[in-house]
Amino acid sequence: NAGVTQTPKFQVLKTGQSMTLQCAQDMNHEYMSWYRQDPGMGLRLIHYSVGAGITDQGEVPNGYNVSRSTTEDFPLRLLSAAPSQTSVYFCASGRGMLKNEQFFGPGTRLTVL
Amino acid sequence: GQQLNQSPQSMFIQEGEDVSMNCTSSSIFNTWLWYKQDPGEGPVLLIALYKAGELTSNGRLTAQFGITRKDSFLNISASIPSDVGIYFCAGRREYGNKLVFGAGTILRVKS
Repeated sequence: NAGVTQTPKFQVLKTGQSMTLQCAQDMNHEYMSWYRQDPGMGLRLIHYSVGAGITDQGEVPNGYNVSRSTTEDFPLRLLSAAPSQTSVYFCASGRGMLKNEQFFGPGTRLTVL
Repeated sequence: GQQLNQSPQSMFIQEGEDVSMNCTSSSIFNTWLWYKQDPGEGPVLLIALYKAGELTSNGRLTAQFGITRKDSFLNISASIPSDVGIYFCAGRREYGNKLVFGAGTILRVKS
């Protein structure tokens, strides 16, 4: 199994540009989530999904959209990038309600100029 | 905002020493997880705890689910250079999957 994969590894955007961060998992996990990591603030939940067709907002959802058309994929869209969205983004997946272990991808480092 | 208080923020210890870090909250948690993150990588799960009072080991690592359900502790025995990294606690407050993370403990080992 490849586990959780994320692309790209690095990305530089200009303010106002849009882009999609890709996330895929091959573990047949129901639960997937997106976090951003900023210095001294741990990981903050952006959006999450408990299954295909179901998404919900996390702690910091503004400026981001998600969709979950398949179990495997959970892309994160930045609609109009802002410098405040400069961060490292992690996708994670997990098995479901009773077991909360989440497995993380390698991350995407995004810089917005 | 941050709902878990993790301490210490950073540690600089001698190789071979034991390490302790903890995570506290004003809310009750049903699950505690401990992750380690190496530079440039995603967090990796170390230990998962599901019952109050539970004590679980993973090699030199031992974690405990506090009896009040508002805290958790991670101990590393006989630290080695590869223990360097950032350690995160994470908790789940209610039936569901949303995790709340602490700000992390940066561990530096002096060889």
